[in-house]
Amino acid sequence: TQLLEQSPQFLSIQEGENLTVYCNSSSVFSSLQWYRQEPGEGPVLLVTVVTGGEVKKLKRLTFQFGDARKDSSLHITAAQPGDTGLYLCAGAFNTGNQFYFGTGTSLTVIP
Amino acid sequence: ETGVTQTPRHLVMGMTNKKSLKCEQHLGHNAMYWYKQSAKKPLELMFVYNFKEQTENNSVPSRFSPECPNSSHLFLHLHTLQPEDSALYLCASSQEGADTQYFGPGTRLTVL
Repeated sequence: TQLLEQSPQFLSIQEGENLTVYCNSSSVFSSLQWYRQEPGEGPVLLVTVVTGGEVKKLKRLTFQFGDARKDSSLHITAAQPGDTGLYLCAGAFNTGNQFYFGTGTSLTVIP
Repeated sequence: ETGVTQTPRHLVMGMTNKKSLKCEQHLGHNAMYWYKQSAKKPLELMFVYNFKEQTENNSVPSRFSPECPNSSHLFLHLHTLQPEDSALYLCASSQEGADTQYFGPGTRLTVL
């Protein structure tokens, strides 16, 4: 059973365009993380959100945690080729040590 | 540099070989994880160790054997693997009860 679904699965855009990636679940999480992974490397943490409705910004990246803490979105403004990679969301519950990963969104930004 | 290192970065082995993957974290965390990442599949959690004790084993075949001698080191011993075990094996660590984990760079394993 896949707890977190991400959409779209693949995204190819031109440099300078904006995009939004979604991470959805029917479960309520205590926190949610976003990672970016480049080929042959491990995922690198971008942000952790913990409060329903929370919005965090990291330069051109804006992360939002849904009010009900079941979903999240990642918006990239003016995408650049360096944004290319696999974007993963992961949710955690406040019991146990497990993190549940989404299906991933593979982003390609064309110069 | 995330504070989690993995060796080797690449490994090619035959189905009859025995090899081990090593992970070391320099973050003072007390929970460590092994994940398997195959092409076109979500990250699969394999094992979780909390304070050196295994707390999760997600129905992983016995040809994968984890070992956690202390909170900073985690091994994955491999024997009689199958070609479908070829994947990127990722190690991660976190502080028990924390909401974030940090990954190593992974070991790219190819089973011939």
